[in-house]
Amino acid sequence: DGGITQSPKYLFRKEGQNVTLSCEQNLNHDAMYWYRQDPGQGLRLIYYSQIVNDFQKGDIAEGYSVSREKKESFPLTVTSAQKNPTAFYLCASSLGDSYNEQFFGPGTRLTVL
Amino acid sequence: AQSVSQHNHHVILSEAASLELGCNYSYGGTVNLFWYVQYPGQHLQLLLKYFSGDPLVKGIKGFEAEFIKSKFSFNLRKPSVQWSDTAEYFCAVKVAAGNKLTFGGGTRVLVKP
Repeated sequence: DGGITQSPKYLFRKEGQNVTLSCEQNLNHDAMYWYRQDPGQGLRLIYYSQIVNDFQKGDIAEGYSVSREKKESFPLTVTSAQKNPTAFYLCASSLGDSYNEQFFGPGTRLTVL
Repeated sequence: AQSVSQHNHHVILSEAASLELGCNYSYGGTVNLFWYVQYPGQHLQLLLKYFSGDPLVKGIKGFEAEFIKSKFSFNLRKPSVQWSDTAEYFCAVKVAAGNKLTFGGGTRVLVKP
């Protein structure tokens, strides 16, 4: 089955700890994205990558970091510098050209205690 | 930077009622427009998209949307809703030739049986 997987589904961490969220796709998509979803605010772009070994900051990149060493993988690290990390995180991918929509994974709900 | 506004945060209606969700964006150039839906417990998925051509776009599950360029709007409609249309709906805008999506805040729709 082709698709996007995110793990884990639920994640709990203590304040001050870094945590890495996994995102894998087997759709052979060039572009991958990380969003944060908060109630009433829709989805906000954290980082995106249009090609392996390259990525750009989105609208709310502070306190986050990413890597894109492989086409199929785009992990997101939520660092201790992120002031309000508790949220629902969504990963997406697309073919990368302008005329294709983004496909979304199931999401990871991160709770920082 | 572009922004997207969805006027209603919550909508409650009965089965067979008509649904219209408003979406306005602020960007003066050429845009691509999307409506995504998130059913309870499911992935975010595409309902419909507009890139060019006929401004009245038909999507899945009987939904349609009309792009009115002069009003910077892309409202979503369904003539007769079903209980299974209970979901959260997101409007999204992309600058043409770009890859970044900007989402509205979402509208939660509850259809009472």
